[in-house]
Amino acid sequence: SQTIHQWPATLVQPVGSPLSLECTVEGTSNPNLYWYRQAAGRGLQLLFYSVGIGQISSEVPQNLSASRPQDRQFILSSKKLLLSDSGFYLCAWSPGLGPLHFGNGTRLTVT
Amino acid sequence: EDQVTQSPEALRLQEGESSSLNCSYTVSGLRGLFWYRQDPGKGPEFLFTLYSAGEEKEKERLKATLTKKESFLHITAPKPEDSATYLCASSMDSSYKLIFGSGTRLLVRP
Repeated sequence: SQTIHQWPATLVQPVGSPLSLECTVEGTSNPNLYWYRQAAGRGLQLLFYSVGIGQISSEVPQNLSASRPQDRQFILSSKKLLLSDSGFYLCAWSPGLGPLHFGNGTRLTVT
Repeated sequence: EDQVTQSPEALRLQEGESSSLNCSYTVSGLRGLFWYRQDPGKGPEFLFTLYSAGEEKEKERLKATLTKKESFLHITAPKPEDSATYLCASSMDSSYKLIFGSGTRLLVRP
């Protein structure tokens, strides 16, 4: 069966520091991969998605970036964090156009 | 603009008191309507996919239905462990993206 791993679970970072969140999927090949952000009490906002290695689509202009160095690895990065980057970050995968399956998220607090 | 709206924002039920959650969508060319359950501090857990008006899916005390403009998640005789936030999302033809509603927070009291 397929599993998705996302880490770390929580992270506290100062303003201006870099960020790297990692997500890996097991048990499937060539999944579509996604990064979402969820603000408190609000819906999920799509940040990036990828349909293949090196293919990244950005949905929201911001100081975040994403990379897919391997088939089942998706990384969310920032060179300099802003206070507004605080939130709950979720990685997800899907088998083509099927439903998304989410990891357990990273709670990021920028201080 | 493609949009998904959920109501109510919050719902309190007594154990055994059945009710329904609403998800209205304005998406051109709906490909699928998805329901998720999210517990505090966790990622959303996939529940159902509905593809066409009139379709119904069931899982334990939950039943999801779909019309041309909205979807309902019916909860029959809920238990405290059904307490969670329920999210719905829609996707358009040939799109990998899901548009999420802001969710309904359900609290079931014993």
